[in-house]
Amino acid sequence: GDSVTQMEGPVTLSEEAFLTINCTYTATGYPSLFWYVQYPGEGLQLLLKATKADDKGSNKGFEATYRKETTSFHLEKGSVQVSDSAVYFCALSMLRDRDDKIIFGKGTRLHILP
Amino acid sequence: NAGVTQTPKFRVLKTGQSMTLLCAQDMNHEYMYWYRQDPGMGLRLIHYSVGEGTTAKGEVPDGYNVSRLKKQNFLLGLESAAPSQTSVYFCASSYGQGPVGGTDTQYFGPGTRLTVL
Repeated sequence: GDSVTQMEGPVTLSEEAFLTINCTYTATGYPSLFWYVQYPGEGLQLLLKATKADDKGSNKGFEATYRKETTSFHLEKGSVQVSDSAVYFCALSMLRDRDDKIIFGKGTRLHILP
Repeated sequence: NAGVTQTPKFRVLKTGQSMTLLCAQDMNHEYMYWYRQDPGMGLRLIHYSVGEGTTAKGEVPDGYNVSRLKKQNFLLGLESAAPSQTSVYFCASSYGQGPVGGTDTQYFGPGTRLTVL
């Protein structure tokens, strides 16, 4: 079945460091791909998304490119801030029928040190 | 717009007690979802609804029931709570299917932290 695998955390970086959180997926078709972020004590919110191969999603300095050949959607940011500390979820969805759902990865906790 | 709201925010139950979690959205979304979040497990879908009056089972439906009598509300019930149901519960909603395929963006509530003793 469809699945999402993302790197286990926690990931700890210093402020202004470069960030990569790896995400790979398994799907029998062409899914839409998402990154959601969960700040402490809050629900998830969409960070960025891409709906077809080679699309790049971007928001708040974060980027991810939909790579069909490697089935990946890695999240990157050039210079992280303390305020980026959160849990990041990679997710996919497929359009098969009306009962479409999102499949989430297990989440990667990110700590940014000042 | 309040977005997605959940009540209560916190609850402690004893084993065998029952309760209902309420989710409300004011975005006129067709789809609504209930998830549970446990450490190391990510988000798991409990039940979902693709429209008023409809419900369907997700990945972990056992021990839960749901109802969608009004488009804006989605209720999650625990008939006889068990310690294994200690978790953080999130409700989400979405407009429907995205324009180019795949589920549209989901909007999440702030969560309900439930402890079953």
